[in-house]
Amino acid sequence: EAEVAQSPRYKITEKSQAVAFWCDPISGHATLYWYRQILGQGPELLVQFQDESVVDDSQLPKDRFSAERLKGVDSTLKIQPAELGDSAMYLCASGLFGRQRGELFFGEGSRLTVL
Amino acid sequence: AQTVTQSQPEMSVQEAETVTLSCTYDTSESDYYLFWYKQPPSRQMILVIRQEAYKQQNATENRFSVNFQKAAKSFSLKISDSQLGDAAMYFCALETSGSRLTFGEGTQLTVNP
Repeated sequence: EAEVAQSPRYKITEKSQAVAFWCDPISGHATLYWYRQILGQGPELLVQFQDESVVDDSQLPKDRFSAERLKGVDSTLKIQPAELGDSAMYLCASGLFGRQRGELFFGEGSRLTVL
Repeated sequence: AQTVTQSQPEMSVQEAETVTLSCTYDTSESDYYLFWYKQPPSRQMILVIRQEAYKQQNATENRFSVNFQKAAKSFSLKISDSQLGDAAMYFCALETSGSRLTFGEGTQLTVNP
């Protein structure tokens, strides 16, 4: 069964360091999302891609976060410099734009701890 | 702006019993979808059930069903014959135009044997 792949699963870093997360969506899924989930809370959208284009990045802290999906397939989310408040689970999800609305397929997430 | 509110941070149910999780939402759009997602411990989130706003009939998926009250903007999830494997964090979610999905804060469900 096709799955959304994310790496790394766990990342521990010191504040002010750079960190990157990678996501490979399910083949054929045009829409890709990055969510941030603080422990005990609901996921918060950081950025949404439609193919290689950014559809919504209104909640992305652009002074330190960047995201790209250059060929419209896999995606990278970068944080530089990392801050203590960035400690969270970073979830990637993909879906079929325009069909099966809202049925997102999530990866297992990348848990970031900033020391 | 869209909002989703889950007022029950934690719920518990005895195995084989029925439990209802509450959700309210707010949106100015007329075309939207509502969902319940399940996030088991240390596992990825999966879709439980979906409801299209234009449909009056409540969605059902095996032991899972919803009570969709459009005028009240309420969308509760009923789990019948609860099983140990139902223990998880449950998120209510709202999708509006542009495929933007907004999640609630979640309800942690414990199933007691």
